[in-house]
Amino acid sequence: SYVLTQPPSVSVGPGETASLSCGGDNIGSKPVHWYQQKPGQAPVLVIYSDGRRPSGIPERFSGSKSENTATLSISRVEAGDEADYYCQVWDRTTEHLVFGGGSKLTV
Amino acid sequence: QALVVESGGGLVHPGGSLRLSCAASGFAFSDSYMAWVRQAPGKGLEWIAYMWAPTSGSRKYADSVQGRFTISRDDTKRSVYLQMNSLRDEDTAVYFCARRAGHCDRDACYYYMDIWGRGTTVTVSS
Repeated sequence: SYVLTQPPSVSVGPGETASLSCGGDNIGSKPVHWYQQKPGQAPVLVIYSDGRRPSGIPERFSGSKSENTATLSISRVEAGDEADYYCQVWDRTTEHLVFGGGSKLTV
Repeated sequence: QALVVESGGGLVHPGGSLRLSCAASGFAFSDSYMAWVRQAPGKGLEWIAYMWAPTSGSRKYADSVQGRFTISRDDTKRSVYLQMNSLRDEDTAVYFCARRAGHCDRDACYYYMDIWGRGTTVTVSS
């Protein structure tokens, strides 16, 4: 089965840019989506289809991708951005949805 | 406003059964794929099932629940269900209902969850 790998934790200072990575075999060929989850809350879609933002998501959130790594970037990080972030793809072979293990962003 | 609300969680003994419900409003439910995602205590998100039309061919399950869980829906009630049988300790989790949105083109399929409920808690314990 397809595996997505995320670092368990990322730390940045307020006002800095956070880069959260998501690795997977040939991930460059798969659309990647990102979710933010704060403690005790439901996940929220923050980036879909590699780099598109849903309505209501600040422009500070952006997504990019290379051949084997997808990256969620959060510029001008605020205390309110502290959360767990998950990447997700759809595996065409199994028709399964796959999540990465998640990264905890500490500000 | 698009909304999904889960219900039906609770405490169940190992080997027991439970049926979760998810009521949807504010979007074209009958045109939507619906999914269940769970999160064990202190762990990450795990997709477990999705379906579209009420035919078995449109349903997919994660390996961890295949053969034990069944997803179904009633479009007249705008609801999706998760029947969970032969429950194990490791099924203890918050269960989220979500809409699976997106599309496919010639190159790839862009499937993601855009509407999420707050979740319902299932505890499997003796």
